[in-house]
Amino acid sequence: GENVEQHPSTLSVQEGDSAVIKCTYSDSASNYFPWYKQELGKRPQLIIDIRSNVGEKKDQRIAVTLNKTAKHFSLHITETQPEDSAVYFCAAIYTGGTSYGKLTFGQGTILTVHP
Amino acid sequence: DGGITQSPKYLFRKEGQNVTLSCEQNLNHDAMYWYRQDPGQGLRLIYYSQIVNDFQKGDIAEGYSVSREKKESFPLTVTSAQKNPTAFYLCASRNLGQSSYNSPLHFGNGTRLTVT
Repeated sequence: GENVEQHPSTLSVQEGDSAVIKCTYSDSASNYFPWYKQELGKRPQLIIDIRSNVGEKKDQRIAVTLNKTAKHFSLHITETQPEDSAVYFCAAIYTGGTSYGKLTFGQGTILTVHP
Repeated sequence: DGGITQSPKYLFRKEGQNVTLSCEQNLNHDAMYWYRQDPGQGLRLIYYSQIVNDFQKGDIAEGYSVSREKKESFPLTVTSAQKNPTAFYLCASRNLGQSSYNSPLHFGNGTRLTVT
């Protein structure tokens, strides 16, 4: 099965700085990697995703990079704002064997952006 | 996402009682998932189903049961065998198809279960 490790568990930055969250996955059969943002008391919301045939994807201040060889992917947030403060989760969808379609999440990163 | 409804939002039960959490979706999604969220532990998969009348255990299925009799419904029962049932439970769904590997999860608003 798949195992997803996420670091750091907490991240504190000043407004305007960049934030980077990293995830590693264990199984090469995973080929889709979404990132979710969860604000306090709310459900996770998809913010960006990347497929295994793409190395980088950008959407305004948010970007995701994927290194298939090293089995790691990262979320980059530039020009951070206080409203970016939330918990961020990476995930991987496993497409191997009997666990096809299983989506495994990382442990989450609590991002705090100080004004 | 308004297409996935979890009810109730808060649920209180006495220890030793089974309790069923409801999850309904009108997105016509094939796959449905149940996750448990505890502070500092992220989202852990309990059960998932990719087709009616079929489901698979996730990473922490012990003490839980599910059914998938209809495409739009995937109820989760927390049994008395679950050692630490107090948690936030999230239901999710996603579409399957030719590009199923890259379709994202859509989450419900969650049910916070407290067992005393």
